[in-house]
Amino acid sequence: DVKVTQSSRYLVKRTGEKVFLECVQDMDHENMFWYRQDPGLGLRLIYFSYDVKMKEKGDIPEGYSVSREKKERFSLILESASTNQTSMYLCASSLPPVSNQPQHFGDGTRLSIL
Amino acid sequence: KNEVEQSPQNLTAQEGEFITINCSYSVGISALHWLQQHPGGGIVSLFMLSSGKKKHGRLIATINIQEKHSSLHITASHPRDSAVYICAALFGSARQLTFGSGTQLTVLP
Repeated sequence: DVKVTQSSRYLVKRTGEKVFLECVQDMDHENMFWYRQDPGLGLRLIYFSYDVKMKEKGDIPEGYSVSREKKERFSLILESASTNQTSMYLCASSLPPVSNQPQHFGDGTRLSIL
Repeated sequence: KNEVEQSPQNLTAQEGEFITINCSYSVGISALHWLQQHPGGGIVSLFMLSSGKKKHGRLIATINIQEKHSSLHITASHPRDSAVYICAALFGSARQLTFGSGTQLTVLP
């Protein structure tokens, strides 16, 4: 079974802090994704990576950056956390292509910015 | 604009009922995904389809390309089916999914 592990289930940080969310997958997947999920808005893609050191912006990249130095690990960085970044963050991985490969999700990190 | 609309937003059913959740999208797609999210957040991929119909146990997913519409059916519903059901479309040559806002299903015993 594919396992996607997010480093924290719950996280509380303060405005202005630099926040790191880590995601690790164990199935050698090329694709990895970071989403945020907010009530009424569904999942929105922040960034995705299709290979080591490769990344593409999603729909809402502002205020975020990512790092993929190793195939199994994809990190999301909030450069200077703000209260509007309070949300549920979900990491996913898949084989290519996106059209006919399922995405495997982590359990999510509920991030609160105070 | 690439959009995915789901209906209904909320659905309450009695155990044993046949359930239908609808998903419509704005323009042509290359694939449509159905996912299930249980309380606590975990998301599981249920189906990926680009035409016709797929079945897995009590779950059936259909897609009508001409009408730009997909449905997820649950036969003989059970309280353990209570979850949020999400459809997501891959538009044209895009490399990312566009998600609907989800349908909260509650099945009462």
